[in-house]
Amino acid sequence: AQTVTQSQPEMSVQEAETVTLSCTYDTSENNYYLFWYKQPPSRQMILVIRQEAYKQQNATENRFSVNFQKAAKSFSLKISDSQLGDTAMYFCAFMKLPYTGANSKLTFGKGITLSVRP
Amino acid sequence: DAGVTQSPTHLIKTRGQQVTLRCSPKSGHDTVSWYQQALGQGPQFIFQYYEEEERQRGNFPDRFSGHQFPNYSSELNVNALLLGDSALYLCASTSRLSGQNPLNTEAFFGQGTRLTVV
Repeated sequence: AQTVTQSQPEMSVQEAETVTLSCTYDTSENNYYLFWYKQPPSRQMILVIRQEAYKQQNATENRFSVNFQKAAKSFSLKISDSQLGDTAMYFCAFMKLPYTGANSKLTFGKGITLSVRP
Repeated sequence: DAGVTQSPTHLIKTRGQQVTLRCSPKSGHDTVSWYQQALGQGPQFIFQYYEEEERQRGNFPDRFSGHQFPNYSSELNVNALLLGDSALYLCASTSRLSGQNPLNTEAFFGQGTRLTVV
């Protein structure tokens, strides 16, 4: 079974600053995906960024980037130039491969509440 | 292109009653997964449906059951409601036909149904 741990319940950052959200996971699988999802007050989960475990290069999406340390089973999210619209809950999630629908179950961490201050 | 739609958005039920929640997947998706998200927690996987059958199940009692229709829409039924069933219920859709293309690993979520049991 997989577990995902997010130990920081809350974080706060000044607008335009950079913030890093931490996530660790435990699995015996070798092939998997890791995700960061954002859940604003509207409740809808939105994919922020994904990382394939077989890729050494860290994923980036505009202001969002990850630091993926496979040996340490660590997957942190860095948000640069924080904006007020980044205020939300952020969830780290794991999905094992191969992806055939039957394996598309997501295992989530407890989440972290990020507040961006004006 | 319609995304994942869930109904109703909010629901209040009395302990012991039964409830049915509905989900229509994103156009082109054939797999529906249901998650329970308690307040302040990460989503927990309930079960997954494709080809009108339950394919995977999380650690939830038999009071939780589901159905998938030929048009890929799905229902989640909960019998004998308990106060602890109060949560946000999220539906997510994916496509098995996407193969192992990493770009198709994204699960699209609905805005959820907020169930309150009193």
